[in-house]
Amino acid sequence: EAQVTQNPRYLITVTGKKLTVTCSQNMNHEYMSWYRQDPGLGLRQIYYSMNVEVTDKGDVPEGYKVSRKEKRNFPLILESPSPNQTSLYFCASSGLGDEQYFGPGTRLTVT
Amino acid sequence: SQQGEEDPQALSIQEGENATMNCSYKTSINNLQWYRQNSGRGLVHLILIRSNEREKHSGRLRVTLDTSKKSSSLLITASRAADTASYFCATTRGGTALIFGKGTTLSVSS
Repeated sequence: EAQVTQNPRYLITVTGKKLTVTCSQNMNHEYMSWYRQDPGLGLRQIYYSMNVEVTDKGDVPEGYKVSRKEKRNFPLILESPSPNQTSLYFCASSGLGDEQYFGPGTRLTVT
Repeated sequence: SQQGEEDPQALSIQEGENATMNCSYKTSINNLQWYRQNSGRGLVHLILIRSNEREKHSGRLRVTLDTSKKSSSLLITASRAADTASYFCATTRGGTALIFGKGTTLSVSS
């Protein structure tokens, strides 16, 4: 089954404790991206990657890192999480210019 | 930065009625896409319309695109309670990156 998986689905952590949210797709897509969704603000892109070893900033990259060492994986790293990073996070993938497939979301709470 | 803006922000209708949502965008596009999101879940792609297309159908969905007005509309005919969700339009930036609007929340009551 074609899908994008994210882990964990729910995470509660404390300020400053490094965390990684994993994202994996099984569709051999070149393009992957991370979004955060906050009430009243819609979805905002954090980072995206056009292919292996190619990443670029989206609209709200501050406080986040990503890597793309393999085509199927695109982890999101929060080196020192802060409460303003409490949000619902989505990973997505697509072929270039095509519809995007979204993961189920990761609800992160930083206290 | 938001590229697409949906209108209305919220829409409440009865089952069987049609629902129309609009999307306006700011710059030229390659294509425009519509997505649905059930509460707190991942977005699901509904339909993609390319800049050289004016209208597209998929089941009970009809999408129009007017590039001269930089606007698109999504029509859901004969709405069902299961259509209750948020609907987003998205345009491409740099060929691939999607820019989403804030969405229209549709409530369909039986």
